[in-house]
Amino acid sequence: AQSVTQPDIHITVSEGASLELRCNYSYGATPYLFWYVQSPGQGLQLLLKYFSGDTLVQGIKGFEAEFKRSQSSFNLRKPSVHWSDAAEYFCAVGSLNSGNTPLVFGKGTRLSVIA
Amino acid sequence: DVKVTQSSRYLVKRTGEKVFLECVQDMDHENMFWYRQDPGLGLRLIYFSYDVKMKEKGDIPEGYSVSREKKERFSLILESASTNQTSMYLCASSSTGDGKSYTFGSGTRLTVV
Repeated sequence: AQSVTQPDIHITVSEGASLELRCNYSYGATPYLFWYVQSPGQGLQLLLKYFSGDTLVQGIKGFEAEFKRSQSSFNLRKPSVHWSDAAEYFCAVGSLNSGNTPLVFGKGTRLSVIA
Repeated sequence: DVKVTQSSRYLVKRTGEKVFLECVQDMDHENMFWYRQDPGLGLRLIYFSYDVKMKEKGDIPEGYSVSREKKERFSLILESASTNQTSMYLCASSSTGDGKSYTFGSGTRLTVV
């Protein structure tokens, strides 16, 4: 069965520091990969997605993610974190070949940003 | 701007009440989903629908039902609300032709007392 693991429940970084949020997936087919962000009390917003092609994907708000098939990973990065990036981040995986099977979401990583 | 609209941001209901959570999307998406979100448990899929009048059980359908009479509207029904259904409920939609990118509503925080 497909699964997504976000090993870090909570991460705290200083404003201006770099950020990497980890995501590992288990999926038998060719994966679609997503990162979503959720601000407090809000729904989820799509940050970026990977379908095929270049394994380094650029998203909104200055985020990027790199797909590494050999490591089954899709880690999210940002070179310099802003206080407004404090939120919860969710990684998700789906399959090109699985029809309408819903995405599988990780449990999320909460990001705190300190001055 | 494309939107998924959930009818209520906050809702307080009594145990045993029948509760309707409404979700409307304006993107002509085929697929719609209901999740609940609880601290430490992430998003758990309750039900989803690929087409009008179609529904599929997700991971935690017990205690819930859904209705999709029109393409743009997907309703979640709590037949007899219980305190363990206190949660944040998120609706999402997607187009089959858009590689499964989901658009989420802002959520309904339901408290059952």
